[in-house]
Amino acid sequence: NAGVTQTPKFRILKIGQSMTLQCTQDMNHNYMYWYRQDPGMGLKLIYYSVGAGITDKGEVPNGYNVSRSTTEDFPLRLELAAPSQTSVYFCASSPPGVAKNIQYFGAGTRLSVL
Amino acid sequence: QKEVEQDPGPLSVPEGAIVSLNCTYSNSAFQYFMWYRQYSRKGPELLMYTYSSGNKEDGRFTAQVDKSSKYISLFIRDSQPSDSATYLCAKDGQRKKNYGGSQGNLIFGKGTKLSVKP
Repeated sequence: NAGVTQTPKFRILKIGQSMTLQCTQDMNHNYMYWYRQDPGMGLKLIYYSVGAGITDKGEVPNGYNVSRSTTEDFPLRLELAAPSQTSVYFCASSPPGVAKNIQYFGAGTRLSVL
Repeated sequence: QKEVEQDPGPLSVPEGAIVSLNCTYSNSAFQYFMWYRQYSRKGPELLMYTYSSGNKEDGRFTAQVDKSSKYISLFIRDSQPSDSATYLCAKDGQRKKNYGGSQGNLIFGKGTKLSVKP
């Protein structure tokens, strides 16, 4: 049972570099989400998607981009990485309907921007 | 006022103690409340899920919602060292109607770090 899979687990970037955080789920969930978690803080929503081809901004979208070409995949793109993007990134998914609030999380990607 | 407030702790208790974790929220418009458990360097996992007010029990865990006081609680009975983790409360957030329904946006508290000592 793979669930939500995120790659890579760790990454160090230099300021100004770009990278894509990968997320895939095998539960056929419509909804997918990207969060960031900073030390001592809760999870902040970056972007979300309600299905293939449909994405929207969350609370902290600046500096990030997403795409959703398939139900399974929801990559997060960082352009021109900045130290403020040092964080742990979590991808999550949830089914449609009343269960949409039950979100399943991946193991996270720890990103450092130096 | 933040929409979900949670005391970050840390909270340290002896094995076997009853643990009480609490959150308050400010927006009464929505009615789904969740507790997630997050072990160190892992992703959050759903622990309990309640709708509206009242209690829900699952083994040693009880989730309680008091809508009159806007209080969310998680009780852990007979706490074990394996319960040592950060506990995040969450509630459903503001909905958008762009796609004919809500997007399942959750608002999280900052998490309470619990340590159960053997």
